[in-house]
Amino acid sequence: AQSVTQLDSQVPVFEEAPVELRCNYSSSVSVYLFWYVQYPNQGLQLLLKYLSGSTLVKSINGFEAEFNKSQTSFHLRKPSVHISDTAEYFCAVGAAGNKLTFGGGTRVLVKP
Amino acid sequence: EAGVTQFPSHSVIEKGQTVTLRCDPISGHDNLYWYRRVMGKEIKFLLHFVKESKQDESGMPNNRFLAERTGGTYSTLKVQPAELEDSGVYFCASSRSGRGAYEQYFGPGTRLTVT
Repeated sequence: AQSVTQLDSQVPVFEEAPVELRCNYSSSVSVYLFWYVQYPNQGLQLLLKYLSGSTLVKSINGFEAEFNKSQTSFHLRKPSVHISDTAEYFCAVGAAGNKLTFGGGTRVLVKP
Repeated sequence: EAGVTQFPSHSVIEKGQTVTLRCDPISGHDNLYWYRRVMGKEIKFLLHFVKESKQDESGMPNNRFLAERTGGTYSTLKVQPAELEDSGVYFCASSRSGRGAYEQYFGPGTRLTVT
């Protein structure tokens, strides 16, 4: 069985400040890790994924996440947030062709 | 390419009524998934189709829920009779086969309110 814990349900942050969203998982098998984002009134969008190879993965809009096997973590970071980053972020684990197991989500509110 | 679409976007029904949610996956995607998010909780898996076959339905809460995928294209999720605890957002996702199966594309969701 797999489980995902997102330690923060809400993260308020000022514009241009850094943000880190924490994600820890447990699994008895090798997993693949994902961050999804849901902007207000929209569906879930894949932000970035770790399948294999380099443990640091980056998105096109400045987010990055690092897979840490020993810590069973996949924290998401951005060095400088924008108002447009206001959204809910979901960490998930899964395998090819199989279901995703999600964390509870972290709401990020970027303040001017 | 067109994304995953879901219909309706919102549905408000009374307890005991029947509701049918529809999902149209991305064309050519063999894998289709249903997920649900009850208010305040995490997004939970309901079931997985590969083409027209149910691969995994371990997340279906009870026999009031019936999912079908006609001809391996669109899918419907029927709730009959609806209960208050069925309220939530129902998401559909699809993915390719093979290496493309890692990436699931989600629809906008259907918000179901049972009163």
